Amino acid sequence: KQEVTQIPAALSVPEGENLVLNCSFTDSAIYNLQWFRQDPGKGLTSLLLIQSSQREQTSGRLNASLDKSSGRSTLYIAASQPGDSATYLCAVRGNYGQNFVFGPGTRLSVLP
Amino acid sequence: DGGITQSPKYLFRKEGQNVTLSCEQNLNHDAMYWYRQDPGQGLRLIYYSQIVNDFQKGDIAEGYSVSREKKESFPLTVTSAQKNPTAFYLCASSMAGTAEAFFGQGTRLTVV
Repeated sequence: KQEVTQIPAALSVPEGENLVLNCSFTDSAIYNLQWFRQDPGKGLTSLLLIQSSQREQTSGRLNASLDKSSGRSTLYIAASQPGDSATYLCAVRGNYGQNFVFGPGTRLSVLP
Repeated sequence: DGGITQSPKYLFRKEGQNVTLSCEQNLNHDAMYWYRQDPGQGLRLIYYSQIVNDFQKGDIAEGYSVSREKKESFPLTVTSAQKNPTAFYLCASSMAGTAEAFFGQGTRLTVV
């Protein structure tokens, strides 16, 4: 059964820092991996989707990488801003399943 | 604007009552999903549907029911058999079972 973990559980950084959020999964037979952002009391906002054949995806200040063989993905946020404060979740889809397995999330606080 | 609409935003249920949460999408997506989010437990899949008039149980389907009579709509009923229904409920959709997923803004259900 696929299990997804995220480290750290919480992170607090000063504005302007570059930071890395980690996502690990136990079964490397994935179809894709998606990173989301969730603000308190809100739904999930899609940030980046990486297909299993890809190594990375970029959108603005965000860059996500995928290493299937080691079961890891990282989300890199450049020049962090207070508006980046949120919980970041990763989710993986298996090759033979239709549904995401979510990690518990990393709660990020960017201090002005 | 295209998107996923969940209603109501807040819902209160008395003991023994059934309540129905609405999820509508105008993205022309085939697949729709219901997740439950509890503090410290991440997102867990309740039900999903790949096509109209077909749906499958997820990991925690007991005490819930769904229907998929139209492509745009996937309502979730929380029945009196669900012993601990207080949670944040999230609806999602995707173009196909393995494509990028998009989420609604959620419904917070509280038992009073």
